[in-house]
Amino acid sequence: EPEVTQTPSHQVTQMGQEVILRCVPISNHLYFYWYRQILGQKVEFLVSFYNNEISEKSEIFDDQFSVERPDGSNFTLKIRSTKLEDSAMYFCASSEAQGPYEQYFGPGTRLTVT
Amino acid sequence: RKEVEQDPGPFNVPEGATVAFNCTYSNSASQSFFWYRQDCRKEPKLLMSVYSSGNEDGRFTAQLNRASQYISLLIRDSKLSDSATYLCVVNPLTTSGTYKYIFGTGTRLKVLA
Repeated sequence: EPEVTQTPSHQVTQMGQEVILRCVPISNHLYFYWYRQILGQKVEFLVSFYNNEISEKSEIFDDQFSVERPDGSNFTLKIRSTKLEDSAMYFCASSEAQGPYEQYFGPGTRLTVT
Repeated sequence: RKEVEQDPGPFNVPEGATVAFNCTYSNSASQSFFWYRQDCRKEPKLLMSVYSSGNEDGRFTAQLNRASQYISLLIRDSKLSDSATYLCVVNPLTTSGTYKYIFGTGTRLKVLA
């Protein structure tokens, strides 16, 4: 069964450093998403991406965040200058189409900012 | 009012019991609805979509009441392996014409032997 994969599974970084979280969506999916979940809190939408453009972003997704699809398979989330409050689980998701369709989630990257 | 509201629980039930979770949402423009299951420190996994007519998948039944903006999930004959957090997800159409998931905080279920 096809699945979304993410690397690394755990990333530890110092405050102020840049991190890149990587995702490989399901191969025939066209819509990609990033979510985050701070420990003990709900899953929050960050950004959606289609056709090499951001479709929608939340208030959390400020100028320190960016997304990219550098090739035909990878989808990345970059955090330019990490803060302590960026510590969270980051989930990538993909869906076959836009609209009221199911999204499938990767296993997540646990980001710890020290 | 929160966008998606769930009772956090925990619900502690014996094996074999029937348990029901409820969820309310505030955005009447919401187009689709889902239940996801999340195990501790793992990703959300799709349990089932929720349709207006109600739908069933084995021991799981989901219902949607658009008029009351209310979604439910019923689990019959609970198994130990059903212990998890159940996430209610609403998928409204945004002002920019796209869709995004809005998650509830989840309801924790613990099935006891």
